[in-house]
Parts: sequence; C-alpha cells; structure tokens
Amino acid sequence: DTAVSQTPKYLVTQMGNDKSIKCEQNLGHDTMYWYKQDSKKFLKIMFSYNNKELIINETVPNRFSPKSPDKAHLNLHINSLELGDSAVYFCASSRQGATGNTIYFGEGSWLTVV
Amino acid sequence: GESVGLHLPTLSVQEGDNSIINCAYSNSASDYFIWYKQESGKGPQFIIDIRSNMDKRQGQRVTVLLNKTVKHLSLQIAATQPGDSAVYFCAETDNGATNKLIFGTGTLLAVQP
Repeated sequence: DTAVSQTPKYLVTQMGNDKSIKCEQNLGHDTMYWYKQDSKKFLKIMFSYNNKELIINETVPNRFSPKSPDKAHLNLHINSLELGDSAVYFCASSRQGATGNTIYFGEGSWLTVV
Repeated sequence: GESVGLHLPTLSVQEGDNSIINCAYSNSASDYFIWYKQESGKGPQFIIDIRSNMDKRQGQRVTVLLNKTVKHLSLQIAATQPGDSAVYFCAETDNGATNKLIFGTGTLLAVQP
C-alpha cells in the first residue's frame, strides 16, 4: 500500500497552462509538505500544512497555490506555467512538525513545461 | 543563514567496501538530522536519523556519526551493495518556529561490481 501517493507521475504541458498535482497520505499524519527538486537534485521546501493550516510558505510565486481539503490531502495548483517550473515535485507527510518525526515522501511528479 | 552541504558530490566504491558520505551543516541550533536515500526515479527514502544529544547511531548496515564541535555529519554504509547506488541527502531541521527540514545538495554513490 502506498503511504504517500501523488498524481500524475508525469505531466507535460505548455507554457501558460494551469495544472494541478494531487497528493494523498494514508498514514494518519497531521503535516503535509510540497518539495521541489530541480535539475541539480536540490530539494527545497515550498509549503507545509498542519491540520489543513498553512505553516510554511517559502517565498514561492503566488502562481503556486496549495489546497488542503482535509489533513490527508494536499494538492498543488499552478497557474500560468513557466519554463522554469519544470522540476520534480514531491509531496510528503509527517506527524506534527519535522523535528523528530520521519518525513515520508511520495514518488514524485515530473513536470515538464514546453 | 542556515545551510547544509556535502563535501563529495560523487562517491565511487567497490562492491563489498565500506562507504562514507560526509555532510557539513552551519546552523549550530539544529537538533535533529536525517539521512535520506533517493534512487533514480523515486522519492527520498528515510535511512536513519540522529538527535543532537547523540554522537552515533547504528542501523542495519548503516551508522550515522554526528560531530557537533565541527558541525559535521557522516553516513557509513558497511559492505556496500549495488542496491545502495543512489543519491544520498543529509537534512537538518531548522529548529525554528516553522520546524522545517533543510536538505543538503546530495552525494551520488556509485557502487562498482
């Protein structure tokens, strides 16, 4: 059983389009995250939600809007896609907070903007 | 500001040898450190963690060492196997209000048969 699942796994889209990536965790965790991994493999946090409340927003362009309908889901919507948005986006979850709590990652969503 | 970095971006070892992956961190206030393994096409996978009140922790074939004096973290893999080939990341929590995880730049471990 997949603990953190995200869809789609691959997404190729044109500049200017709007797209969403969905994420669900079945671990009963309170906190969910979105991370972005660039072409150099650098992983950087974008957002973190705890019990549906936004707690981290790392100066991400407002074209990126996370939505947490419940604590098991954290979706990422991206408006007006740009070439620089091409990356792998990882959803993750943990018990409350990152300190001392293992963060479990999904398999990633490969976004290519052409 | 806080930063976590790795000394060796690529490490090539022979199968059966021990591997040591190093990491330096700059935030002396960090109190929790983790090593993740990322295989090609997959998400990061937790390997082992350590709190700042410890200097060593062992798992199955892996050991993490923490030297707070020089702000250095290392991951030792015993009897490295082909399945260990992956990118390894160290990470720390910033211990701030947001309690977020900050990743290092990653080291590619290549195991030669």
